[in-house]
Amino acid sequence: SAVISQKPSRDICQRGTSLTIQCQVDSQVTMMFWYRQQPGQSLTLIATANQGSEATYESGFVIDKFPISRPNLTFSTLTVSNMSPEDSSIYLCSVVKGQETQYFGPGTRLLVL
Amino acid sequence: GNSVTQMEGPVTLSEEAFLTINCTYTATGYPSLFWYVQYPGEGLQLLLKATKADDKGSNKGFEATYRKETTSFHLEKGSVQVSDSAVYFCALSDRNRDDKIIFGKGTRLHILP
Repeated sequence: SAVISQKPSRDICQRGTSLTIQCQVDSQVTMMFWYRQQPGQSLTLIATANQGSEATYESGFVIDKFPISRPNLTFSTLTVSNMSPEDSSIYLCSVVKGQETQYFGPGTRLLVL
Repeated sequence: GNSVTQMEGPVTLSEEAFLTINCTYTATGYPSLFWYVQYPGEGLQLLLKATKADDKGSNKGFEATYRKETTSFHLEKGSVQVSDSAVYFCALSDRNRDDKIIFGKGTRLHILP
């Protein structure tokens, strides 16, 4: 398994500002994923982050809005830029360990006013 | 493309009732199948998984069997408890697609004492 922590756990932000979310894993992993879970909805994959290369974004998500860093094999950040109320969501990071099993962090609850 | 369909909620049951949450999938390859659970205010936790046809995943009294012939992975529990109240997500992962997980929309379960 994997133990994943995220910071901050929650935040309330003003429109137009940016927030950087940190994800720390207790072991080295090749791939990390960032998801968004809008209120009452399922999870949507934002991007896949590999160490040493640019993140791969899913349809509907762009680097300018959600820049991602992956400086080493245990850490990643996701920035939500120029926020609007529509960005209010839970943001989760996850990693793959073992047989294709993804483990998730506790999530960052973001409210944009 | 790959997809997951699960029964819509909310599902409300009395304590000790039998639970079934239906899940069917569409996949071009040979996916692994998962059930994740999200307790109120928490992140996602892996509940159980199955990686090939006829495998049965089990955990905490929950079971699900990978049925390739019916492309299903229904979640069952013989006697639910109030503490089982949560949102349950069926998901699949295809190694041919970089382990990306596709989630169903989630089923909210309420257990009444």
